[in-house]
Amino acid sequence: EPEVTQTPSHQVTQMGQEVILRCVPISNHLYFYWYRQILGQKVEFLVSFYNNEISEKSEIFDDQFSVERPDGSNFTLKIRSTKLEDSAMYFCASSASYGYTFGSGTRLTVV
Amino acid sequence: QKEVEQDPGPLSVPEGAIVSLNCTYSNSAFQYFMWYRQYSRKGPELLMYTYSSGNKEDGRFTAQVDKSSKYISLFIRDSQPSDSATYLCAMSAEDSSYKLIFGSGTRLLVRP
Repeated sequence: EPEVTQTPSHQVTQMGQEVILRCVPISNHLYFYWYRQILGQKVEFLVSFYNNEISEKSEIFDDQFSVERPDGSNFTLKIRSTKLEDSAMYFCASSASYGYTFGSGTRLTVV
Repeated sequence: QKEVEQDPGPLSVPEGAIVSLNCTYSNSAFQYFMWYRQYSRKGPELLMYTYSSGNKEDGRFTAQVDKSSKYISLFIRDSQPSDSATYLCAMSAEDSSYKLIFGSGTRLLVRP
């Protein structure tokens, strides 16, 4: 069964450093997303990406966040200057329409 | 009022029991309703997907949507210890981005 692959599975970074979280979506999907889940809290929408541009972003997705699809297979989330409160699980997802597939997540720990 | 509300549990049942999980929502624009299962520190896994009102059955799982009451349910028949996980409801309005709004999740424990 096709799956969404995320790397790394765990990233520890110092506050103020830049991190890039990587995702390989399912190959024939057209919509790509990033969600995050702070420990013990809801899964929250960050951004959706379609046709090589952001289609919607949440209030969380401020200027320190950016997304790219640098080639035909990868989809990245960059956090420019990490803060302690960015510590969370970050999930990439992709879909052809509704009911999309999530990756296993990257656990980001900011120290 | 929260957009999607879900009882966090935990819900503990004996093996073989019928489990009922529920969510309520406030946004009448939601048209797509999903149930995800999430194991600890893993990504959500899609279980059921329903459009608008009605029932959908898949093996031991049945999803129900009542848009008039803004209430959705997931029933698990003959529950197994392997069903122990957190169950997340999620929903979306009919727009171009397919953004999902999640409930907080209900933790289910099925005792052998």
